Amino acid sequence: DGGITQSPKYLFRKEGQNVTLSCEQNLNHDAMYWYRQDPGQGLRLIYYSQIVNDFQKGDIAEGYSVSREKKESFPLTVTSAQKNPTAFYLCASRNTQGSYSNQPQHFGDGTRLSIL
Amino acid sequence: SQQGEEDPQALSIQEGENATMNCSYKTSINNLQWYRQNSGRGLVHLILIRSNEREKHSGRLRVTLDTSKKSSSLLITASRAADTASYFCALNGLNRDDKIIFGKGTRLHILP
Repeated sequence: DGGITQSPKYLFRKEGQNVTLSCEQNLNHDAMYWYRQDPGQGLRLIYYSQIVNDFQKGDIAEGYSVSREKKESFPLTVTSAQKNPTAFYLCASRNTQGSYSNQPQHFGDGTRLSIL
Repeated sequence: SQQGEEDPQALSIQEGENATMNCSYKTSINNLQWYRQNSGRGLVHLILIRSNEREKHSGRLRVTLDTSKKSSSLLITASRAADTASYFCALNGLNRDDKIIFGKGTRLHILP
């Protein structure tokens, strides 16, 4: 079945450490997104990519970095510059063919990041 | 704010009753989407309603959109325990920056 796979499900970060969250999709979607969700809150956009080798900052990009070397993969690195990284991170993808905006986003099951 | 605002923030109803959640917004939109999130899981898309549509149905779900009032509602009829989740409205604006803005959600709890 097609879908989005995020790994790991749980991740712990030590002070001063960078960690990378994986997101892989086999839906053949061009667009991919990273969101951060804090308890009881909505989703805030970190980075998004509409095509391979291109990505844009979202609303809260500071302390994060991404790459988009392959269509299927959009890894997120949480750097040591992100001082409050504890959150639930969600990756999504979307088909941007045809009617540009009238396509829903498909989500992975998230990675929960905590600080040791 | 471009964010949709759901109302109420939390809702508890008896199984079998109908649940209504509302979303208000301030900007012009291309479409509005509703998503469900079970605890500790990703979001699942429920319904997309375009700005030129007024009502859509999908199974036990009914979504309305009033662009003059900049509001939408999600009705779940004959609720079930499995409907317990958070429900988010998401706005797709008129520009082509490919962003979807999510609200903070309504937490729905179905009581047995």
